[in-house]
Parts: sequence; C-alpha cells; structure tokens
Amino acid sequence: GAGVSQSPSNKVTEKGKDVELRCDPISGHTALYWYRQSLGQGLEFLIYFQGNSAPDKSGLPSDRFSAERTGGSVSTLTIQRTQQEDSAVYLCASSSQTSGGTGEQFFGPGTRLTVL
Amino acid sequence: AQRVTQPEKLLSVFKGAPVELKCNYSYSGSPELFWYVQYSRQRLQLLLRHISRESIKGFTADLNKGETSFHLKKPFAQEEDSAMYYCALGGIQGAQKLVFGQGTRLTINP
Repeated sequence: GAGVSQSPSNKVTEKGKDVELRCDPISGHTALYWYRQSLGQGLEFLIYFQGNSAPDKSGLPSDRFSAERTGGSVSTLTIQRTQQEDSAVYLCASSSQTSGGTGEQFFGPGTRLTVL
Repeated sequence: AQRVTQPEKLLSVFKGAPVELKCNYSYSGSPELFWYVQYSRQRLQLLLRHISRESIKGFTADLNKGETSFHLKKPFAQEEDSAMYYCALGGIQGAQKLVFGQGTRLTINP
C-alpha cells in the first residue's frame, strides 16, 4: 500500500515569505509527527497529532511555526516569515499507535526547504 | 533533559568484519529504544526496537539500563549495510515523540 507522502519534495523560498508543507499519512494511522533535520543536526521533534488534536507541540521552535490536521488525515506545517535558519529537511511520520508507548513510526520522503 | 548520544559520526569497516554502532541515552524513566536506518535515496525506516528483542538483517541490540546504552551490533558486516543509522529514545513520560541521536554514517568497504 501507499506509504507516507509529502509535498512538495523541494521548496525554495525567499526570506520573509510564508510556506506550507503537506503530509499525507498512511491510511488509518491516527498518529502523525513532524520532525526537522537541519544541516549537521539530528532529527528534531516538532509536533505530534493524535487524530486532529496536537497533545504535544513542545518542539515547535517559535510562534512562526504552526501545524494543523484535518479529518484525522492530511496535515499542513506552516512557517511564517521564513528565516534562513529554517532551511532544513522536514520529515513527516505516521503511526497506528494510540497510547501506551511509542510505536513504529513510518516516515515520508521529506520536504527540503531552502530559504534564500 | 532526555538525550541520545551517538559518539561516532562516521564509521568505516571492512566487509566481513564485526560492526558496533554505539548509542547512549539519558532518561530516568522506563525507556523505549529504537534503531532507525536510512539507506541511500530511501526514506528513514525502523530497523529494530528493544522490546521485540529480535535480530533484523543480522543486527542485534541489547538495552543495558545500567550503562544506559543500546549499542547496535552485527558480527559480519555486508556491503549493503552501508547507510545512516539513528538511535532513538521513546516512551518519554508517556509521550509519543522520538528523540534521535545525531546519527552514524556506516560505510562497509569491500
């Protein structure tokens, strides 16, 4: 079956512009995660959704970052007034885990964001 | 704060040699430990997790709570093992997120 998909695969934008990154999780997966991988850094957690709710937003680096999920499926990560330090690969993952620990997460191919 | 440390950014071994990728974690609760792997031009995928205690592609990893380690081992490396390996910590205070190490790029030389 289809895995996690993300769009666009690459995004180049100018400093100060807003961008939207999209994630389509595996069908039926209630949990959805966003991570970021900056140059020379490991993967950093950004936000976690269970259904349409986001019980853990602790990784969002600033109020310029927001995310939403609709219909328990597609999620959009929005970065407002982009800065050069926002340049990174943004990874989305989904899981069938609902509670009781951290299950296997299935990752998308990522969106490479470059802020000029 | 919870942290995962992979001390080696790069590791190079010859085919057929044993390989060990080190991972140490910092967490006072009951940890869940994972190894994820990313092969060239593929997406990140789960290799193994400590609760399953299984061997995947010849790799094993044992959780040592005393040493707070979860090292990944394989007795005889193969060229197709060349990849980026990430150790990850989950189960943090009931949260679902993963805390990743910086990753180790493993290269198997022929």
